[in-house]
Amino acid sequence: DQQVKQNSPSLSVQEGRISILNCDYTNSMFDYFLWYKKYPAEGPTFLISISSIKDKNEDGRFTVFLNKSAKHLSLHIVPSQPGDSAVYFCAASDGSSNTGKLIFGQGTTLQVKP
Amino acid sequence: EPEVTQTPSHQVTQMGQEVILRCVPISNHLYFYWYRQILGQKVEFLVSFYNNEISEKSEIFDDQFSVERPDGSNFTLKIRSTKLEDSAMYFCASQLAGAFSDTQYFGPGTRLTVL
Repeated sequence: DQQVKQNSPSLSVQEGRISILNCDYTNSMFDYFLWYKKYPAEGPTFLISISSIKDKNEDGRFTVFLNKSAKHLSLHIVPSQPGDSAVYFCAASDGSSNTGKLIFGQGTTLQVKP
Repeated sequence: EPEVTQTPSHQVTQMGQEVILRCVPISNHLYFYWYRQILGQKVEFLVSFYNNEISEKSEIFDDQFSVERPDGSNFTLKIRSTKLEDSAMYFCASQLAGAFSDTQYFGPGTRLTVL
């Protein structure tokens, strides 16, 4: 079951630069997308989300872009900070299911170097 | 800030034993979930729970698994007879409303080790 895919297992960027994390999905019924950040030995922490009726959502240093035709979303972090180093998960939900179940990608480990 | 809590943080058990993982969701939330993450793999949905009943469960959630909300605050996951492959991090999550656009908040997880 690869409905949500994060094809880059890791990403390394310099502090102050932009980090771009990518996510692809296959299920056209997905209509809500979220990014979670996870540190070792902790639970996923909600970062930012976007509904399928939008193509961009911004919150401080974090921006999520959604390209529905390409079934692709991306998370931009700018400027990147060493504290951003973590595993980032993309997740999606299907509003028609009424259960709120989230389908996660495999995660991308971001390392921000000072 | 309200948060989801889980106990214990680490549970070690022998194969075949029963375990109960406990969660205290955020107090005014109405929708509850269990997910798990096997080491090195993605976070997987197990079950969703609303109004004292399961609303959806995955193929993983077989007859060995059960969930319960025994009182107004706790939400538990029971594995009746643990198997080696049940070793994983188990995350509880809660959500205020069932709207798909509402955010799920996760607890810190319980690491289950089955020997």
